[in-house]
Amino acid sequence: EPEVTQTPSHQVTQMGQEVILRCVPISNHLYFYWYRQILGQKVEFLVSFYNNEISEKSEIFDDQFSVERPDGSNFTLKIRSTKLEDSAMYFCASKTGIVETQYFGPGTRLLVL
Amino acid sequence: QKEVEQNSGPLSVPEGAIASLNCTYSDRGSQSFFWYRQYSGKSPELIMSIYSNGDKEDGRFTAQLNKASQYVSLLIRDSQPSDSATYLCAVMRNQGGKLIFGQGTELSVKP
Repeated sequence: EPEVTQTPSHQVTQMGQEVILRCVPISNHLYFYWYRQILGQKVEFLVSFYNNEISEKSEIFDDQFSVERPDGSNFTLKIRSTKLEDSAMYFCASKTGIVETQYFGPGTRLLVL
Repeated sequence: QKEVEQNSGPLSVPEGAIASLNCTYSDRGSQSFFWYRQYSGKSPELIMSIYSNGDKEDGRFTAQLNKASQYVSLLIRDSQPSDSATYLCAVMRNQGGKLIFGQGTELSVKP
């Protein structure tokens, strides 16, 4: 069964460093998402991406964040200058254009020191 | 007012009992409703989706939607210890749109 994959599974970085989180959505999916979940808190929407552009972004998704689909398979989230409060689990999700169900990847646990 | 509200629990039920999980939402324009299960340290896993008023059954799971009351529920029959997890209610306003999650309800099924 096709699934969303994410790399790395864990990332530790120093405050102020740039990180890139990578996702490979399910191959025939057209909509792509990033969510994050701070430990003990709810899953929060960051950004959605469709037709090679951002379709919606949350207040969390400020100028420090960017997304890219550099080729036909990868979908990346870049955090330019990480802050302590960026420590969280980051989930990528994707869906087809037909049904509404979003399928989540296993997540990347980011720890900013 | 929170957009999606759930009782955080923990909800504890004995093995074999029915677990009832509830969720309310504030946006009347919400169109799609989902229940995800999340084990500790793992990603959300879809249990059920429901789009129209009424009940939808899938195996031991039944989702119920009442748009007039802005209420979604999930019933788990014959609960098993492996059902112990956090259950996330999520709503979507429009096609392709973001999921808005509740805080989640922690369910514990005791053998």
